[in-house]
Amino acid sequence: NSKVIQTPRYLVKGQGQKAKMRCIPEKGHPVVFWYQQNKNNEFKFLINFQNQEVLQQIDMTEKRFSAECPSNSPCSLEIQSSEAGDSALYLCASSRGREEQYFGPGTRLTVL
Amino acid sequence: GDSVTQTEGQVALSEEDFLTIHCNYSASGYPALFWYVQYPGEGPQFLFRASRDKEKGSSRGFEATYDKGTTSFHLRKASVQESDSAVYYCALGHSGGNYKPTFGKGTSLVVHP
Repeated sequence: NSKVIQTPRYLVKGQGQKAKMRCIPEKGHPVVFWYQQNKNNEFKFLINFQNQEVLQQIDMTEKRFSAECPSNSPCSLEIQSSEAGDSALYLCASSRGREEQYFGPGTRLTVL
Repeated sequence: GDSVTQTEGQVALSEEDFLTIHCNYSASGYPALFWYVQYPGEGPQFLFRASRDKEKGSSRGFEATYDKGTTSFHLRKASVQESDSAVYYCALGHSGGNYKPTFGKGTSLVVHP
């Protein structure tokens, strides 16, 4: 069973507000991923880290989204100015690298 | 680039039916292949993986065989139960240094009692 912890489980924001969510990866997993899952269950990769360093991120992440994985603190994903289209399930996953990923339960963001 | 195609968007079966969910991939070399399952209200769970041609992965009665010739990794189960109702994802592991996998669009399985 996955031991990835995500908080909060639910987040409700108004348009233009900041939305921040956190993730504690499984112990011993140096690689952390953030995904956005839409209502059609499709995954959209946002960003990943190895230890504290960004490995890859998409253009969307570079504009309104910011993320970090500081040492000895939870990883976080923040949307600077929420839009209605950001409403989705945000999933955090961790892995040892090229191996399988372990997912948290997700943070359900609703932007009103 | 890498891609994963799951043919079925939705599958509806009755209990004890045989399940097949098709997964085909496009990638160079020998990528690792994975199946994940996502139950309502939860994050995806790793089901099993295979890393080389003809290797069979299995878990909880589900199985799939890595077939490089047909670039496939089809998920099968001999007798489904209502509790197997979930969304199933096929995924391909990236061989590059950024570790970013490629997921299929998912197949929603509904098993009727």
